[in-house]
Amino acid sequence: NAGVTQTPKFQVLKTGQSMTLQCAQDMNHNSMYWYRQDPGMGLRLIYYSASEGTTDKGEVPNGYNVSRLNKREFSLRLESAAPSQTSVYFCASKGPGELFFGEGSRLTVL
Amino acid sequence: AQRVTQPEKLLSVFKGAPVELKCNYSYSGSPELFWYVQYSRQRLQLLLRHISRESIKGFTADLNKGETSFHLKKPFAQEEDSAMYYCAPSNDYKLSFGAGTTVTVRA
Repeated sequence: NAGVTQTPKFQVLKTGQSMTLQCAQDMNHNSMYWYRQDPGMGLRLIYYSASEGTTDKGEVPNGYNVSRLNKREFSLRLESAAPSQTSVYFCASKGPGELFFGEGSRLTVL
Repeated sequence: AQRVTQPEKLLSVFKGAPVELKCNYSYSGSPELFWYVQYSRQRLQLLLRHISRESIKGFTADLNKGETSFHLKKPFAQEEDSAMYYCAPSNDYKLSFGAGTTVTVRA
């Protein structure tokens, strides 16, 4: 049972490039989330999807887009990467009473 | 505005000493409260939630609605408790996380 799987684990981009972070869960959860983790700022919610077919903005949505492709998959897209988006990104899905996290994706924007 | 405050960024204690991680929140309604932990090279995972009233790995957390606090405590810290700890209130679908406290337990 893989739980929450994120790809890629590491990525280096140049300013202005685009990329998509992929996330999939195999626990049949309705809700999925994207967070970013920065030193001294903890985890901040970028976007979430309460159920298949819906997405909503979190605390820091600017510069990002998401797609809830189906119940399993929730992707995060950076259309034009900026150095301020250098961070570790975590995908999570919500089961009864808790979030289950992926291993994280470390993104560096030069 | 909803806010979670973990005032200590770093906490260093000796093995066997008590440890307390503070968490204060400002939230509408009656949020559910959680503590999550991230050990080195592991995923973030749930440590405990206030409604379960359990003690996990020797940790307990007391919800004080009057002070809007949810401090995490352990009477005797162990080296394996070294990790990053996040306080997380939740309303509906959204969990907000504090900035986190890095705990180092020294032998």
